[in-house]
Amino acid sequence: DAKTTQPPSMDCAEGRAANLPCNHSTISGNEYVYWYRQIHSQGPQYIIHGLKNNETNEMASLIITEDRKSSTLILPHATLRDTAVYYCIAGGGNQGGKLIFGQGTELSVKP
Amino acid sequence: DAEITQSPRHKITETGRQVTLACHQTWNHNNMFWYRQDLGHGLRLIHYSYGVQDTNKGEVSDGYSVSRSNTEDLPLTLESAASSQTSVYFCASSDDREPQYFGPGTRLTVT
Repeated sequence: DAKTTQPPSMDCAEGRAANLPCNHSTISGNEYVYWYRQIHSQGPQYIIHGLKNNETNEMASLIITEDRKSSTLILPHATLRDTAVYYCIAGGGNQGGKLIFGQGTELSVKP
Repeated sequence: DAEITQSPRHKITETGRQVTLACHQTWNHNNMFWYRQDLGHGLRLIHYSYGVQDTNKGEVSDGYSVSRSNTEDLPLTLESAASSQTSVYFCASSDDREPQYFGPGTRLTVT
């Protein structure tokens, strides 16, 4: 699995867009980019994933650069409930879904 | 609704005892995974399975074992519990190239 690099922490004002960056410069052609978040000590929650194209769902948008070496998770209107640790993971593909978690970004949404 | 459950949610045991943590999913997913998470750290992969009778070691497998006798269950056994195995344990399941979905976790304390 490719290694990912994320900033350890970020702040965001409530109601504003939160843009969380992730570098995955060694990602291989069949590896996906997954985003999860973990609130307190709950189980990680799946947010979104993509291979090459940008993706959007009801929770967030995922922007993947053309060279696939980096991506950005966008929470369009952050709320206090979005305060969590966000994990960017490059993996899956031919490895049948095995994912390696890094340290993630601790996002604090402030009023 | 399909789901993934873990039991027990909390467990206290003594050093040297054998402990088994249960994981049950009703999505009929082929892939199942066990992770541990220590305070202030990300998730680390313990064992995983790609189907019935298949098991594989993850990055921190020493002292743990799993068996897969059916699609729905992947129990995790600590052969002889040690204080270093005090942690929160998460189970997850997925289909190939699809996101993993996590259970609520089991908090294990070894005294």
